[in-house]
Amino acid sequence: DIQMTQSPSFLSASVGDRVTLSCKASQNINKYLAWYQQKLGEAPKLLIYNANSLQTGIPSRFSGSGSGTDFTLTISSLQPEDVATYFCLQHNSWYTFGAGTKLELK
Amino acid sequence: EVQLVETGGGLVQPGKSLKLTCATSGFTFNTAWMHWVRQSPDKRLEWIARIKDKSKNYATDYVESVKGRFTISRDDSKSGVYLQMNSLKEEDTATYYCTTIRNYWFVYWGQGTLVTVSS
Repeated sequence: DIQMTQSPSFLSASVGDRVTLSCKASQNINKYLAWYQQKLGEAPKLLIYNANSLQTGIPSRFSGSGSGTDFTLTISSLQPEDVATYFCLQHNSWYTFGAGTKLELK
Repeated sequence: EVQLVETGGGLVQPGKSLKLTCATSGFTFNTAWMHWVRQSPDKRLEWIARIKDKSKNYATDYVESVKGRFTISRDDSKSGVYLQMNSLKEEDTATYYCTTIRNYWFVYWGQGTLVTVSS
């Protein structure tokens, strides 16, 4: 089974900061990685798919990069509405989610 | 507008059964592959089941932890997908989401239904 490891587990940042979240796969998953945002009480929302493609309707301050085993989600300028937990998901072999990074405002 | 609405959650004793329903609208259900994903109280997400469409003979797949206990099914005439859960364990406690795919990724999700397994 493919394991997905996210870091950090918790991140505190200020409005306007550039924020970088990491996701590492236990084996090569090519570019079969997505990023989801989940706000309190809501279902996950797709932000990035195929490692670096921005989902329709998602602000351009979100971007993704990486391939193989190492992936990054970047928020170029943190906004108050970005407070959420962020999950990565691989589907190179079935589906596995990371444990999430909880992002809060400093 | 795409909508998925899960119902059927609740409190159930270990060893008992529960059936979840996901009613859908706003997309071509007949050709959609439908999935169930659950989120445990510690917020971990886990894919648990998939059912393909008629062209794939409604083939099903499950995560190892629920094989033999859970059954996913669908009714294309009602645009509904179901999850029959038997022999429930405390570790099955979670919010259960139905979801479907666009371009290979889970795009549309319901609001979830909470299942609590406890004596």
